[in-house]
Amino acid sequence: QQQVKQSPQSLIVQKGGISIINCAYENTAFDYFPWYQQFPGKGPALLIAIRPDVSEKKEGRFTISFNKSAKQFSLHIMDSQPGDSATYFCAGKWSGGSNYKLTFGKGTLLTVNP
Amino acid sequence: DAGITQSPRHKVTETGTPVTLRCHQTENHRYMYWYRQDPGHGLRLIHYSYGVKDTDKGEVSDGYSVSRSKTEDFLLTLESATSSQTSVYFCATGRRDSFSNTGELFFGEGSRLTVL
Repeated sequence: QQQVKQSPQSLIVQKGGISIINCAYENTAFDYFPWYQQFPGKGPALLIAIRPDVSEKKEGRFTISFNKSAKQFSLHIMDSQPGDSATYFCAGKWSGGSNYKLTFGKGTLLTVNP
Repeated sequence: DAGITQSPRHKVTETGTPVTLRCHQTENHRYMYWYRQDPGHGLRLIHYSYGVKDTDKGEVSDGYSVSRSKTEDFLLTLESATSSQTSVYFCATGRRDSFSNTGELFFGEGSRLTVL
């Protein structure tokens, strides 16, 4: 049972274009929604994160849009660059007392052509 | 870097043999996780630990066990490896304040396991 659904599986964008990756979640107990970026041969690293009571968060060229009623959120990468080529994962954070864990989407392989 | 070391980084083994992967951290982070990454499946949680000797199962725990006898080490054991356990395994650690407030985990560089 997949609690975080991510699309598309892969995405090709031209340099300077906008990359958009979408996620939908089922578990309303998630209390934080981070995005991770992974380069080949490396572990994922936190890119940006949003709380469910915020509709948008922007950090540089990266923006998360969050729609709580629809249980959907998306990552927008403005002015995409070849260096942004990586795999992107959305996630939901579950908290239970002192326990925390992340459930990830299946990932999106982004290729930005020069 | 969060000071996470995974060992071994690469291992080839045969079906039915036991395998132990080690995750060592130098950051004194409370939370530690083992994920596996497979094409088309993303990152799936195997087991996690929220303190020394405190562990719990993730979504794909069958065939795996873990132990955490001290803060810095989290071991993942495949009791009898199968070909379906061929994967890249990632260890991750979380600091209580940053993880609870942002969902930030720090990942190691992965251990590639091939079961023949």
